[in-house]
Amino acid sequence: DTGVSQNPRHKITKRGQNVTFRCDPISEHNRLYWYRQTLGQGPEFLTYFQNEAQLEKSRLLSDRFSAERPKGSFSTLEIQRTEQGDSAMYLCASSIGPPGNQPQHFGDGTRLSIL
Amino acid sequence: DAKTTQPNSMESNEEEPVHLPCNHSTISGTDYIHWYRQLPSQGPEYVIHGLTSNVNNRMASLAIAEDRKSSTLILHRATLRDAAVYYCILRAPAKDAGGTSYGKLTFGQGTILTVHP
Repeated sequence: DTGVSQNPRHKITKRGQNVTFRCDPISEHNRLYWYRQTLGQGPEFLTYFQNEAQLEKSRLLSDRFSAERPKGSFSTLEIQRTEQGDSAMYLCASSIGPPGNQPQHFGDGTRLSIL
Repeated sequence: DAKTTQPNSMESNEEEPVHLPCNHSTISGTDYIHWYRQLPSQGPEYVIHGLTSNVNNRMASLAIAEDRKSSTLILHRATLRDAAVYYCILRAPAKDAGGTSYGKLTFGQGTILTVHP
């Protein structure tokens, strides 16, 4: 399978703990996006990488959140001191570019549950 | 980002055509119209996109109004596997193509499509 891979698929943790998610994009894709989706809502943009550079961050990305893409391949999203409101599905997408309207290919997400 | 308006839900019977409408009256001249769908427990899946002309691919057709203020996603023969949430999204061209954004997608609530056997 050469699609976008996200691990783990599910993460259950206690409030206050740190969690880290991993995204492996499609291998030749230089653009990588993170989104968050809560129940009954559409996904919301969190941050964007072009190769290893983080070029755009949403206001949703508080200082407890950090994302990296160190070699321009896989990416990690870390949440420190998790809160109840962080419970959501975290989605990763990748695309090739330019041109800028190539479709984004999504993984199946990591579902985070905060106890 | 310009907003879109879609019905909350629609129903169809299997093997019948489905027309999913989307209004986007504040669309700018450079916005592309994208459609994604999301099946239960999966990430969104690209369906189709267009700028001004109608578009066809193996999954669906996209009909764009002449004034671009509305569009319709057409599934020619619905199957049970087409039951999903369908999102209509306006996407500004990305910065490295001379555009105004990095190509992020701004999802709305979407239309929940139910397909009856």
